[in-house]
Amino acid sequence: QVQLRESGPGLVKPSETLSLICSVSGASVTRDNYYWTWVRLPPGKALEWIGHIDNTGNTNYNPSLKSRVAISADKSKNQFSLSLRSVTTADTALYFCARDVLQRFESWGQGTLVDVSS
Amino acid sequence: QSALTQPASVSGSPGQTITISCAGTSSDVGKYDLVSWYQHHPGRPPQLIIYEVSKRPSGISDRFSGYKSANTAFLTISGLQTEDDSSYFCCSYAGTSIFLLVFGGGTKLTVL
Repeated sequence: QVQLRESGPGLVKPSETLSLICSVSGASVTRDNYYWTWVRLPPGKALEWIGHIDNTGNTNYNPSLKSRVAISADKSKNQFSLSLRSVTTADTALYFCARDVLQRFESWGQGTLVDVSS
Repeated sequence: QSALTQPASVSGSPGQTITISCAGTSSDVGKYDLVSWYQHHPGRPPQLIIYEVSKRPSGISDRFSGYKSANTAFLTISGLQTEDDSSYFCCSYAGTSIFLLVFGGGTKLTVL
């Protein structure tokens, strides 16, 4: 059974870069043909699909965030990561990593809260 | 792209049946049979309960069902139980020339 777990700082200053890691067990991010995805839930708002990376390293990003976001994978650690540059308070959210199987999220992490504040 | 539109809250009594709507457009819900629904208790990972509009993953109760009409998808929960008291959100594929997924704002179900 695949398990995902997010990790990273819970507090990021405005204009800095938000960096999160998703550690995966029970599946391989570089071998298994799935979309390894980041999703976020801002307080009081709807969930937002951030983007994903597949097992070959190809990425897709939400157009609303594309200029600031990067998702990469680390084969040796079986992890994938999120980098979001130039953050503002609007980026405060609960961030989830998830596995997308044919456009459905079968497995999710617990989520990690990131507060953008000075 | 706009989020899909869900009612903020619905309520029902144990044993009753409720339906949650998820309104999209002809570019997402109306165009693709790739609507999924998730149950989310705070502090736990979201759980997939419906995919491809009406299919249930293994282990999900048949009290949960889904369908769509035109640009709106629906989640029906029959025989309400107190454990169904949770938040529910929908998701649809919305890509045309690019890959894109959109979510609903979420609906809080209160089982009275």
